[in-house]
Amino acid sequence: EAEVAQSPRYKITEKSQAVAFWCDPISGHATLYWYRQILGQGPELLVQFQDESVVDDSQLPKDRFSAERLKGVDSTLKIQPAELGDSAMYLCASSLNSWDIQYFGAGTRLSVL
Amino acid sequence: GIQVEQSPPDLILQEGANSTLRCNFSDSVNNLQWFHQNPWGQLINLFYIPSGTKQNGRLSATTVATERYSLLYISSSQTTDSGVYFCAVQEGGANSKLTFGKGITLSVRP
Repeated sequence: EAEVAQSPRYKITEKSQAVAFWCDPISGHATLYWYRQILGQGPELLVQFQDESVVDDSQLPKDRFSAERLKGVDSTLKIQPAELGDSAMYLCASSLNSWDIQYFGAGTRLSVL
Repeated sequence: GIQVEQSPPDLILQEGANSTLRCNFSDSVNNLQWFHQNPWGQLINLFYIPSGTKQNGRLSATTVATERYSLLYISSSQTTDSGVYFCAVQEGGANSKLTFGKGITLSVRP
């Protein structure tokens, strides 16, 4: 069964360092999402791609976060510099199109010390 | 933006019991999905149900779009049903985002 792949699964870093997360969506899925989930809350959308274009990044802290999906397939989310408040689970999801079922990867749990 | 409220926030069941989880939303939606997040953090889609009723094994869901709520039924609960259940809704146009509720934490005791 096709899955959304994410790496790494866990990341520990010190504040002010740079971190990067990678996501490979299910083959053929045009829409890719990055979410952040703080403990005890539901996921919140950071950025949404349709193919290689950003269609929503209104909740992305653009002073420190960046995301790209250069060839419209896999994607990278970067934080530079990391802050203590960035500690959270970062989830990637994909769907055939923007109104279809979303399939999630296993996530990257980030701890900033 | 749209508000999504889930209740109850926490639920403890004995194995074999039935339960109903509720999701209320504040505006019309084009898309509603139920997810289960297991203790390792993996989110699994349970239902895509903007309206009507669907069943999948011991789980079923009903969305009454005109009254802005959805219900998830779990029958004959098992310990593997433990985790957090999220309702998520999408309003508006094709690229509008999915908004999640805060989740319902279910613990099924053996």
